[in-house]
Amino acid sequence: DTEVTQTPKHLVMGMTNKKSLKCEQHMGHRAMYWYKQKAKKPPELMFVYSYEKLSINESVPSRFSPECPNSSLLNLHLHALQPEDSALYLCASSVPYNSPLHFGNGTRLTVT
Amino acid sequence: GQQVMQIPQYQHVQEGEDFTTYCNSSTTLSNIQWYKQRPGGHPVFLIQLVKSGEVKKQKRLTFQFGEAKKNSSLHITATQTTDVGTYFCAGRSGAGSYQLTFGKGTKLSVIP
Repeated sequence: DTEVTQTPKHLVMGMTNKKSLKCEQHMGHRAMYWYKQKAKKPPELMFVYSYEKLSINESVPSRFSPECPNSSLLNLHLHALQPEDSALYLCASSVPYNSPLHFGNGTRLTVT
Repeated sequence: GQQVMQIPQYQHVQEGEDFTTYCNSSTTLSNIQWYKQRPGGHPVFLIQLVKSGEVKKQKRLTFQFGEAKKNSSLHITATQTTDVGTYFCAGRSGAGSYQLTFGKGTKLSVIP
């Protein structure tokens, strides 16, 4: 079990759809992350929020839009995705700086 | 940019044999973390090493951080089937950075 909750667990969407991934943590962590993981690859950082402000955007295409409504919630809005965007999307949280990441179970996304 | 090389990519061992995975960074690291990802699961934090030459043990797992803080290793003694999964190292170069560079991982298979 993980203290970082992600919904949905699985998502299938067409290239014209708009969907959102959700992440929630109640550990009081002030840094939250989105990672993308393709099969047999390491997690790849997409975005970091620190104290609800976007701190890092790793040159992610604009079809991915993050949002941090408050210190416990993190969303990833998806629009006009491509089949190559199919992957496991992992949310993580941490105490800011130099501390371990707590990952959620992930959302397995398939773009058709 | 910073690169973290991890070898081997795959390792098949008989149950009871030892296992080691190695990470090498192109730059000096402020700290290094190790994660384990079970098949179909999410990365789970194992340990963080910060000091030059640091050695930490968790039951059958021994983690080392090199004197130059550019390399690290994870050694498992007497592997068990529960050790199956992919082990990732993740290095951080800046002390106040959110950037973690993951190695490509070592996938461990244990033959009963």
